[in-house]
Amino acid sequence: AQKITQTQPGMFVQEKEAVTLDCTYDTSDQSYGLFWYKQPSSGEMIFLIYQGSYDEQNATEGRYSLNFQKARKSANLVISASQLGDSAMYFCAMREGLNAGNMLTFGGGTRLMVKP
Amino acid sequence: GAVVSQHPSWVICKSGTSVKIECRSLDFQATTMFWYRQFPKQSLMLMATSNEGSKATYEQGVEKDKFLINHASLTLSTLTVTSAHPEDSSFYICSARDSISHGISGANVLTFGAGSRLTVL
Repeated sequence: AQKITQTQPGMFVQEKEAVTLDCTYDTSDQSYGLFWYKQPSSGEMIFLIYQGSYDEQNATEGRYSLNFQKARKSANLVISASQLGDSAMYFCAMREGLNAGNMLTFGGGTRLMVKP
Repeated sequence: GAVVSQHPSWVICKSGTSVKIECRSLDFQATTMFWYRQFPKQSLMLMATSNEGSKATYEQGVEKDKFLINHASLTLSTLTVTSAHPEDSSFYICSARDSISHGISGANVLTFGAGSRLTVL
């Protein structure tokens, strides 16, 4: 079974509007971390936001917020006030356990395209 | 913030040659580095976990003799694609975490290199 599922291969959003990128995960661990990364066409992976499984508050970082619904095992990324520079691939990832040495497992990604 | 340097960014080689890709943590020490592979329009797939001073741990299906990993110091891991073939053409990305100064907090973020695009002719 897929550990991380991103069901939207591609998304369009109008500039200045908000957009939600979906991510569901599957784990039997009680302790885990969820991450979102942005990958522009240059290929670099840019960290956006982190949510720990024990965090009660949804994570926020500037225009990025993570809608964490633990019971549903979903960790959707919300980007507010979209900008043209937000056009990129977005990957949801999970680290099972809290050990910093544990690897990240990535979802298939969502390509976001911001329309002017 | 933590910076990971990856070199070369682009490499084109003939089939049968070996290619070495370097991954350096510039301002922190990394006992563990991860090597990922990404085919066009696909996600990142973990190839191996590189451990300083010991053998790398390879994911299932990844040939250890094909993809040689050496993590000789706390700031450098290398991936050598031996006897490269066209099917090895891919985007290879390394990543590392400053696990020494930042401890084992789950929020400790993985920093990625800029990636190396390998094309084997």
